[in-house]
Amino acid sequence: AQSVTQPDIHITVSEGASLELRCNYSYGATPYLFWYVQSPGQGLQLLLKYFSGDTLVQGIKGFEAEFKRSQSSFNLRKPSVHWSDAAEYFCAVAWYNTDKLIFGTGTRLQVFP
Amino acid sequence: DAGVIQSPRHEVTEMGQEVTLRCKPISGHDYLFWYRQTMMRGLELLIYFNNNVPIDDSGMPEDRFSAKMPNASFSTLKIQPSEPRDSAVYFCASSQVLDVYGYTFGSGTRLTVV
Repeated sequence: AQSVTQPDIHITVSEGASLELRCNYSYGATPYLFWYVQSPGQGLQLLLKYFSGDTLVQGIKGFEAEFKRSQSSFNLRKPSVHWSDAAEYFCAVAWYNTDKLIFGTGTRLQVFP
Repeated sequence: DAGVIQSPRHEVTEMGQEVTLRCKPISGHDYLFWYRQTMMRGLELLIYFNNNVPIDDSGMPEDRFSAKMPNASFSTLKIQPSEPRDSAVYFCASSQVLDVYGYTFGSGTRLTVV
């Protein structure tokens, strides 16, 4: 079955530290991959997406993600976290010829000063 | 553009009552999606429409849930009768055919059934 997994439910980092949030997907075909961010009480906002081509994708707010086919992964990274990055982050996947996104369960990021 | 507009932002109702959630997608968007978010199950796709036609309602939990899209600018999600386990945040999102995965989400409706 098609699925996407975010193994880390909650991550805490210090402001200025680097960040990596993990995402893995199932199913053999190459999917379309996305990262969304949700601030408290808000809807989800698209950070970045990967369809094809360069496997390192740049997004908004200084985030980037790398698609690794061999590991079925699409991890989100940021070299230096700011307190305003505290939020919940969702990885999402869509497979070719489907219209819908399947979301992971999310990773809550907490940032300490 | 005002974005995807959902109403109400918060709804508290008693078990057994009918609840109607509303969504106005972005003008020109062809797709409309209804998601439910809970701590236990995360974000679940309930149903989505393309050009006002329901395409996939396999995520609708049971017959108590129904969704309509009478025109391109309005959709409703109705729960009748409501139960405490329906308490969740319900999100509407829309996208256009040329960027079908470029969802714009509304701010959600927080439903509490007591």
